[in-house]
Amino acid sequence: NAGVTQTPKFRVLKTGQSMTLLCAQDMNHEYMYWYRQDPGMGLRLIHYSVGEGTTAKGEVPDGYNVSRLKKQNFLLGLESAAPSQTSVYFCASRRDASSGNTIYFGEGSWLTVV
Amino acid sequence: DQQVKQNSPSLSVQEGRISILNCDYTNSMFDYFLWYKKYPAEGPTFLISISSIKDKNEDGRFTVFLNKSAKHLSLHIVPSQPGDSAVYFCAARVGGSQGNLIFGKGTKLSVKP
Repeated sequence: NAGVTQTPKFRVLKTGQSMTLLCAQDMNHEYMYWYRQDPGMGLRLIHYSVGEGTTAKGEVPDGYNVSRLKKQNFLLGLESAAPSQTSVYFCASRRDASSGNTIYFGEGSWLTVV
Repeated sequence: DQQVKQNSPSLSVQEGRISILNCDYTNSMFDYFLWYKKYPAEGPTFLISISSIKDKNEDGRFTVFLNKSAKHLSLHIVPSQPGDSAVYFCAARVGGSQGNLIFGKGTKLSVKP
């Protein structure tokens, strides 16, 4: 059981380039999330999805787009990368609204924009 | 404005002693509080939680206390072990069907042998 898997794990981008981070979960979870972690800032929610075909903005959505075409996958896109988007990105999932509190995180994707 | 605050960026404790990590919050609508543990180069993992209707929850060496009147919660680890050295995030769940989590900035715990 892989849980939550993120690809790629590391990436260096030039300013203005685009890329997509892929998150896959094999737990049949309804809810999926993208967070970013910056030094001294904790984890901040970028976008989330409450089910296949749905997406919603979180706390820091600007500069990012997401898609949830399949229940098991949640994609995070950067259309024109900026140095301010240098961060560690974590994907997470939760079974559904009734599952209470536990969300499961992936191992993280380290992105550097130069 | 931060809704979940962890005012101590770091904490150092001797092995075998108690570790106390603190967290304050401002939103009275939070219905669940959670602690996550994070090792370097790994994703956060769920540690323990408490409902807003309770004041204590215990799981082995880990106990979380909630003081609603003070809008304060704390995580106690007894006895502390070197393997507990990690960053601990306090998180609060916004009540409602989506229940998104809001995280504090984290406290780095170092347990010295």
